[in-house]
Amino acid sequence: EDQVTQSPEALRLQEGESSSLNCSYTVSGLRGLFWYRQDPGKGPEFLFTLYSAGEEKEKERLKATLTKKESFLHITAPKPEDSATYLCAVQYNFNKFYFGSGTKLNVKP
Amino acid sequence: DGGITQSPKYLFRKEGQNVTLSCEQNLNHDAMYWYRQDPGQGLRLIYYSQIVNDFQKGDIAEGYSVSREKKESFPLTVTSAQKNPTAFYLCASSPPGTYALTQYFGPGTRLTVL
Repeated sequence: EDQVTQSPEALRLQEGESSSLNCSYTVSGLRGLFWYRQDPGKGPEFLFTLYSAGEEKEKERLKATLTKKESFLHITAPKPEDSATYLCAVQYNFNKFYFGSGTKLNVKP
Repeated sequence: DGGITQSPKYLFRKEGQNVTLSCEQNLNHDAMYWYRQDPGQGLRLIYYSQIVNDFQKGDIAEGYSVSREKKESFPLTVTSAQKNPTAFYLCASSPPGTYALTQYFGPGTRLTVL
C-alpha cells in the first residue's frame, strides 16, 4: 500500500499556464510534509516544509498548501526553468519518511 | 560554503565486488541518511544515523553496510550480497530537531553493475 501518491505522473504546460501538483498521503500522525525539486541526474533540492493542515508557504512562482490528507504545489505562470521533477515526502515518526514517485513537469516556451 | 558532498559521481562495479560510496557534510548536522532511487519509484531509505557511532536499518538495508565514526562522514558500502545494486544513491542530512526533520540532499552517486 502506497503511503504517498503523487499525481499526475507527468505534466506538460505552456509557459504562463498555471497548474497544481497533488500529493496525497495515508499515514497518520504526520510530523511534516516536504516538497523537493529534482533536476535530471542531481540530488533533490529542498523547497518547503509544511507542518499542519491549513499551512501555506510561498517561494517565487511556487505555493505549497496542506490539508489533512493531501498537499498541493501550485505553480503560477511557470517558466521553462521550472521544468523538473517535483517530489513530495512525509514524515510520520522521528525517522520514518516516505517519498512519492514524483511529478515530472515540462514547461514549453 | 556549507553543503553535502558525495563521491564519486559515477561508479562501476563488477559482479562480486564490494564498493564504498562517500558522503561528507560540513553543516554540523547530527542525522544522516542513505537513500536509493530507481526510475519510477520514490526514494527508499537504506540506513540512517542520528549520532556518531549509532545507525539503524531502513526499509531496504539488506546487502548494504554503513559506519558513522565521525559526525561529518557516513560512508555506504554496497556488498556483493546486494543482488540489484544498479541505482542512483543519495545521501542526506538533517539539522537537530525534535519534531519534523527537513532533509538536505547531496548530488548523488550513480552506481552501475557491469
